[in-house]
Order: sequence, then structure tokens, then C-alpha cells
Amino acid sequence: TQLLEQSPQFLSIQEGENLTVYCNSSSVFSSLQWYRQEPGEGPVLLVTVVTGGEVKKLKRLTFQFGDARKDSSLHITAAQPGDTGLYLCADSNKLSFGAGTTVTVRA
Amino acid sequence: GAVVSQHPSRVICKSGTSVKIECRSLDFQATTMFWYRQFPKQSLMLMATSNEGSKATYEQGVEKDKFLINHASLTLSTLTVTSAHPEDSSFYICSASLRDGYADTQYFGPGTRLTVL
Repeated sequence: TQLLEQSPQFLSIQEGENLTVYCNSSSVFSSLQWYRQEPGEGPVLLVTVVTGGEVKKLKRLTFQFGDARKDSSLHITAAQPGDTGLYLCADSNKLSFGAGTTVTVRA
Repeated sequence: GAVVSQHPSRVICKSGTSVKIECRSLDFQATTMFWYRQFPKQSLMLMATSNEGSKATYEQGVEKDKFLINHASLTLSTLTVTSAHPEDSSFYICSASLRDGYADTQYFGPGTRLTVL
């Protein structure tokens, strides 16, 4: 059984600051997805990464996939209140989800 | 593309009644859909895998007679919570899997908030 650990569990920052959240797996990812979930809504896909060492950028979000494909990070530059939410990493093939990082960006 | 809908978005019912939740893939066909349950401030808990044309596969600890799943077509799966009790109150989310080139990615519905009085 694949175990996904996300850190930190909670993160509260001021608007304009940068933040990084992490995802570590007990086994190699088949593929890794990052989702953001807002209260009362379903998770929304942000990115899928497959190749070790891969870096993807989505506006102010930068996703890195470790060379060994067992860890990943999500970095947000100049965070905005709209970035507030629960960030989940997942291996969709294995139906594994991390516990999530709750990010709060204060105006 | 890859839009998944759920209906209803919210439901309040009396204890002992049954509630049906629908999950639809709007712009793609999904031979496999998934049902999750989520408690406040927690991650998703997989309940079952819904397979089109065959019986659902339930995770350990999930009562199949309590949570009836039917995958009637390639775009529709339903979850029926039978004889609901207050402890069944939760946020239920479905997803459908889509092959995006080189990876299977799950696309989620907006969720259904069930409150059992």
C-alpha cells in the first residue's frame, strides 16, 4: 500500500509571500497529480507529472517531481487569497491521496 | 473537457430514509468511477470503485448493503445511501478516470453534502 505524506499540514501566510508544500511517497509514483480543493467543492486538478526531475509551471505555481519519482513539491510565488484551499497530492493510478496541506492566504 | 457533475449538491433527509446521489461524466465516457467520503478538514477516503456493467468493488470496512452503487452506463454512476443515519452525514465526492496521454487522471465532481437529521 502506497503511503503519501504531505507537509506541512497547515500553512498560513500573508498575501504576497511565497510558500512551498511537499509530498513524499513510500513507493514510486505511477504518476503524480496535484489538486486544490476549496471548502464545499470537489478537488480540481492542477497538474499531472510523470517523468522524474520534471518541472512544470502554471502561472505562479511551480511543480517539481523528484528524480526518483518518490517526492514532489508545489511552490507558489506571491500568494493571493484566491490560492487558499486544501492542496492534495495523489497517485491516480493507485488511488492514493495524501492527507493534504491546508493553505490560508491572508489579505 | 473532463467535466464531472454530481446531483444533488446538498440533501437533507430524515433518519431511516434512502438518498440517491448521481455522478455523471459530461464530455467523456468512464468505464470506471470512484466514490469517496470526506470528513471536515480531512482528505478523501475511497469507498468503492464503480465498474460499468458489473458489481462495484468496495473498500474494506464499507458496507455494500448500506452504500449501493450502480453504474448503469458509461457516463452515469449512482450511490444510494440506504436507511441513512446521522453518522452517514458527510461530504460525498465522485470521480471518473480519464487517460490523458500517458497517465490516468481522476476528475472529480463538485461533491454532495448529505445531512441526516
